[in-house]
Amino acid sequence: LAKTTQPISMDSYEGQEVNITCSHNNIATNDYITWYQQFPSQGPRFIIQGYKTKVTNEVASLFIPADRKSSTLSLPRVSLSDTAVYYCLVGDKNAGNMLTFGGGTRLMVKP
Amino acid sequence: GAVVSQHPSWVICKSGTSVKIECRSLDFQATTMFWYRQFPKQSLMLMATSNEGSKATYEQGVEKDKFLINHASLTLSTLTVTSAHPEDSSFYICSARDKDRRHKNTEAFFGQGTRLTVV
Repeated sequence: LAKTTQPISMDSYEGQEVNITCSHNNIATNDYITWYQQFPSQGPRFIIQGYKTKVTNEVASLFIPADRKSSTLSLPRVSLSDTAVYYCLVGDKNAGNMLTFGGGTRLMVKP
Repeated sequence: GAVVSQHPSWVICKSGTSVKIECRSLDFQATTMFWYRQFPKQSLMLMATSNEGSKATYEQGVEKDKFLINHASLTLSTLTVTSAHPEDSSFYICSARDKDRRHKNTEAFFGQGTRLTVV
């Protein structure tokens, strides 16, 4: 399984755009990139998933360069409630394999 | 999105007793469910993969006789922590994949977690 590397923590302020980058140099051809959000004492919540280029939904955008060795989760105009841990995962979604979590990025949004 | 429900949300038990945690997929069928454990300020660590109708597959270092997993139906998996000790106190989370893969853009759905405290 491809290993992921993310910054341990990030600080931001309300209203700013936050970009969290994840490195996955060993990503395989069939692997997708998925981001989850976790609040304290809750299970992870799906944010976004992509394979290449750009994916956007109502809460975030995911940018994936052509070589797919990294990806960037972009959260527009964060609020205090976006303070959470964000996990980047890489895996073949059609293989039914378990999800392996890396260390995640602890985002702190300040007023 | 699909819903995975865990019960109980939190439990306190005495050392030496056993505790059962349930994980249910409420609106989809899951042939495979996963059990994770998370200690404070740490990431999720996979404990075992639960397969409906067959034995669970445990990760290295996880005692199968201590963490009993039963996946008796396509919507229910249970984790029983036997002879619990204070060091078993943790946050236990399950996840499930939709057998029919109706949710094409999502790999797995997670339960809300169960906080186990052994005193």
